Amino acid sequence: TQLLEQSPQFLSIQEGENLTVYCNSSSVFSSLQWYRQEPGEGPVLLVTVVTGGEVKKLKRLTFQFGDARKDSSLHITAAQPGDTGLYLCAGPFSGTYKYIFGTGTRLKVLA
Amino acid sequence: DVKVTQSSRYLVKRTGEKVFLECVQDMDHENMFWYRQDPGLGLRLIYFSYDVKMKEKGDIPEGYSVSREKKERFSLILESASTNQTSMYLCASSSDRQGDGYTFGSGTRLTVV
Repeated sequence: TQLLEQSPQFLSIQEGENLTVYCNSSSVFSSLQWYRQEPGEGPVLLVTVVTGGEVKKLKRLTFQFGDARKDSSLHITAAQPGDTGLYLCAGPFSGTYKYIFGTGTRLKVLA
Repeated sequence: DVKVTQSSRYLVKRTGEKVFLECVQDMDHENMFWYRQDPGLGLRLIYFSYDVKMKEKGDIPEGYSVSREKKERFSLILESASTNQTSMYLCASSSDRQGDGYTFGSGTRLTVV
């Protein structure tokens, strides 16, 4: 069974701090994606990582795909209140177009 | 701007009512999905569709049905609403290119009283 576990579940930090969120699985994924969901809205795709070891940057957000393609991390530098939200990782269920979603990390950045 | 539109942001229905949640996408996507999202349980897949008139059960299909008569529209039906179906319902669509991911609608928060 393919599962994606995220840690930490909850994170509350001050504006300007750095943080890292993790997404782990015992299964290999062909790709992993990160979404951010703001309260009352649907998740919005941030990035897709495809190659083992790949690093992608989106302004202050850095995404990394593990070498073995079983895990991924999201690092935020100098967090801002606008980064507040639920961060979800997701990967395609083996051989299908259906995605498995991680358990989520709820981030709150305090001004 | 490409989008997935869900017909209602908020709905309040009575127990036993038949409820229709509508979802329309304008991206010509082949695949469409219905999820429900509950605190502590994450996103759970109810039904999905890879093509017009085609549907497959997800992880929690009981008490729900779906309809996809046209490529752009995917409807979720609660046959007889119950209080345990109070939830945030999210519709998503995707192309056949796996790396493109999902585009989600804004969600419908359904309360069954």
